[in-house]
Amino acid sequence: EAGVTQFPSHSVIEKGQTVTLRCDPISGHDNLYWYRRVMGKEIKFLLHFVKESKQDESGMPNNRFLAERTGGTYSTLKVQPAELEDSGVYFCASSQEPARNLNTEAFFGQGTRLTVV
Amino acid sequence: DAKTTQPPSMDCAEGRAANLPCNHSTISGNEYVYWYRQIHSQGPQYIIHGLKNNETNEMASLIITEDRKSSTLILPHATLRDTAVYYCIVRVAWGSGGSNYKLTFGKGTLLTVNP
Repeated sequence: EAGVTQFPSHSVIEKGQTVTLRCDPISGHDNLYWYRRVMGKEIKFLLHFVKESKQDESGMPNNRFLAERTGGTYSTLKVQPAELEDSGVYFCASSQEPARNLNTEAFFGQGTRLTVV
Repeated sequence: DAKTTQPPSMDCAEGRAANLPCNHSTISGNEYVYWYRQIHSQGPQYIIHGLKNNETNEMASLIITEDRKSSTLILPHATLRDTAVYYCIVRVAWGSGGSNYKLTFGKGTLLTVNP
């Protein structure tokens, strides 16, 4: 079974440009999460989808970040326009918790390393 | 979520047991203890989780104290490939949504397994 896959693995863009990151969760996983680690900091939660609905987007840093999950399958995270401080590694994770019982693990992708120059 | 405290780094000899401690003195009765690790340049990897009882799987054992204020992750026979940052995370066991689902990562413990 394929794990969580993220594309691209690396991206280098100039300040002011737009970048779109993609995440394909494990098939059948309704829950999809985005996290990121910026240089020297801890891994931080960005947002959580349940199917196509945003369940929690409290970690999104500002309105330059837009996440979508049309159809409840793969998700995209767009950064527009990118700033230098957006550089870091963006992780996607998915899980299959049944409603209300959070007794399962999340599976993470390998991440996308974003460098804004 | 309750905060956790872990030592910043530990060393272990290859083939020996690695015992990684975690303090979570403010844990609530409905919060699980989860352990993840991140091997360099990879995404976080789930290891094990537990609520009250000790747990064991093919990767590790989790020992939770009776008062649940601390726990220890045990890698019974550490190998060089176990060198990674290990994260102890507490997370609510059930909920109807909101922010309950997210994982809150701290700084973790850098475990270095030496030959």
